Amino acid sequence: SQTIHQWPATLVQPVGSPLSLECTVEGTSNPNLYWYRQAAGRGLQLLFYSVGIGQISSEVPQNLSASRPQDRQFILSSKKLLLSDSGFYLCAWLDRKTNYGYTFGSGTRLTVV
Amino acid sequence: SQQGEEDPQALSIQEGENATMNCSYKTSINNLQWYRQNSGRGLVHLILIRSNEREKHSGRLRVTLDTSKKSSSLLITASRAADTASYFCATDASGANSKLTFGKGITLSVRP
Repeated sequence: SQTIHQWPATLVQPVGSPLSLECTVEGTSNPNLYWYRQAAGRGLQLLFYSVGIGQISSEVPQNLSASRPQDRQFILSSKKLLLSDSGFYLCAWLDRKTNYGYTFGSGTRLTVV
Repeated sequence: SQQGEEDPQALSIQEGENATMNCSYKTSINNLQWYRQNSGRGLVHLILIRSNEREKHSGRLRVTLDTSKKSSSLLITASRAADTASYFCATDASGANSKLTFGKGITLSVRP
């Protein structure tokens, strides 16, 4: 079966520290992968998406970056966190064969202090 | 920028009643999707309606799409307390690669 793993569930990091969030997908190949951020009481903002290994498209210019070192692995990184980076980060994948609905991970609650 | 705008922002109903949520968007779309989010959790895909479709059903869910008005509605019939959640509409207006743009969501509370 197809599953998506996202960790950690919660993270508290000091301002200026680095960040690495990882997302892996099982049970599918060559998916589209997405990173979204959700601020409190707001909708989801698309940060990055990837249609293949090493292919990253950025939607919002900021101090975050993404990488896709393997087909089913998507990593969100930052060299130096800002207070404004706090939020709920969600990874999602899309099966391009069916193109029917995104499957989301359980999310990472990041608090930058 | 957010494409979809849901209405109302919050809805409180009694168990057994129907819940109707609306979404408006600004640009032409390939499809529109509705998602549900329980507090502090990831989103769950509910239903997708393509731009050439006008109505779809899935269990107690009914979705309509009016491309001339750039609007959609989600109807949940015979609501249950377990339907309490936030509901988001999302539009896919992209070309070859899917990219969903989400609204801010509707908070639905179903009172037992």
